[in-house]
Amino acid sequence: DIQMTQSPPTLSASVGNRVTITCRASQDISNYLAWFQQKPGKAPKCLIYAASSLQSGVPSKFSGSGSGTDFTLTISSLQPEDFATYYCQQYNSYPITFGQGTRLEIK
Amino acid sequence: QLQLQESGPGLVKPSETLSLTCTVSGGSVSSGIYYWGWIRQSPGKGLEWIGSVHYSVSTYYNPSLKSRVAISVDTSTNQFSLKLTSVTAADTAVYYCVRRGLGATFDYWGQGTLVTVSS
Repeated sequence: DIQMTQSPPTLSASVGNRVTITCRASQDISNYLAWFQQKPGKAPKCLIYAASSLQSGVPSKFSGSGSGTDFTLTISSLQPEDFATYYCQQYNSYPITFGQGTRLEIK
Repeated sequence: QLQLQESGPGLVKPSETLSLTCTVSGGSVSSGIYYWGWIRQSPGKGLEWIGSVHYSVSTYYNPSLKSRVAISVDTSTNQFSLKLTSVTAADTAVYYCVRRGLGATFDYWGQGTLVTVSS
């Protein structure tokens, strides 16, 4: 199985800040990497697919980069609605696996 | 607009079989360019992919669950189903039904349904 490791597990930031979350795959996954946002009691929502492509309807404040084993999700100009848990996910090979999540909290 | 809706018992006894159904509206499970599947999330924990099925091609399961899981598609009712046998408390989770495109990620999710395994 491909292991996905996110850092940090928890991130404290203020409204208006720019933050970056990293995700590392245990082996090369090319660009088969997605990022999801999950709010309490809700299903995850896809923000980014193919490492850097913005899902339809997702604001451009979200951006992704990387390929191979190292990836990042950047969120600019944080707003209250952005404080949530973020997961990376690889779909290069089965079994599909997720990172353990990064909880973004208000400082 | 595609919508997915899970249904099934919210309480299952240990050693019994968990059965859930996902009803698809606004789209067809017999579309050749999508997989339909299940993901679960244990309370306070991360996301675990259970498996995915294409209506005519193939089915893929997480090896950690493969001996206990079956996912099937019913084109006549536009639904797909999950069966997980011999459940234990460790199978208590919110279960999501999902769609993913071929070579793509999960773009549509159901709202999720909590299944508790307890006697």
